[in-house]
Amino acid sequence: QKEVEQDPGPLSVPEGAIVSLNCTYSNSAFQYFMWYRQYSRKGPELLMYTYSSGNKEDGRFTAQVDKSSKYISLFIRDSQPSDSATYLCAMSGGDMRFGAGTRLTVKP
Amino acid sequence: EAGVAQSPRYKIIEKRQSVAFWCNPISGHATLYWYQQILGQGPKLLIQFQNNGVVDDSQLPKDRFSAERLKGVDSTLKIQPAKLEDSAVYLCASSLVGPSTGELFFGEGSRLTVL
Repeated sequence: QKEVEQDPGPLSVPEGAIVSLNCTYSNSAFQYFMWYRQYSRKGPELLMYTYSSGNKEDGRFTAQVDKSSKYISLFIRDSQPSDSATYLCAMSGGDMRFGAGTRLTVKP
Repeated sequence: EAGVAQSPRYKIIEKRQSVAFWCNPISGHATLYWYQQILGQGPKLLIQFQNNGVVDDSQLPKDRFSAERLKGVDSTLKIQPAKLEDSAVYLCASSLVGPSTGELFFGEGSRLTVL
């Protein structure tokens, strides 16, 4: 079993849709949970950052962490074509681990 | 604020040849990382430096990969000899402190193709 599992997609949605991206993990030591966005041929950039369980909202983006279920989510409201990218979940408890990434396409 | 700089952006070599990648982190960032990202996969840590000391190189294939960080700033990652399975994007990242908080800043990567 991988430490971090993420559905690679691809995921295609129409503009304006609500997008839900998810990861599961197995290591209870993870305390920091991140979502990185990676545009084609670019490096990942930090999008959302959450410590421990709970929700965090930033504009159209909401990150949720459920440590009891070892499950994290990223929601994108009113999705835009500019949101088309690969979304990587990442977790850290000292060492950092990335998911495989979900490729998202938002169609105009 | 200048970001993480990497070069070259693209490199094509034949198997058994050698290649070197260079990284200049964000000024003041003590921790530097080299990640390997194979197509369709998430980044995998190869080596982590704290200033100019190695913190973690457990996943670095030491028979062919080497890395150094001179004077705690720039870093070089070398592959010699390259294998077909080394085809990947090599990402350099830096952070102000260690990876525990997860706030890494990545460069655009160096894309390696081994023929």
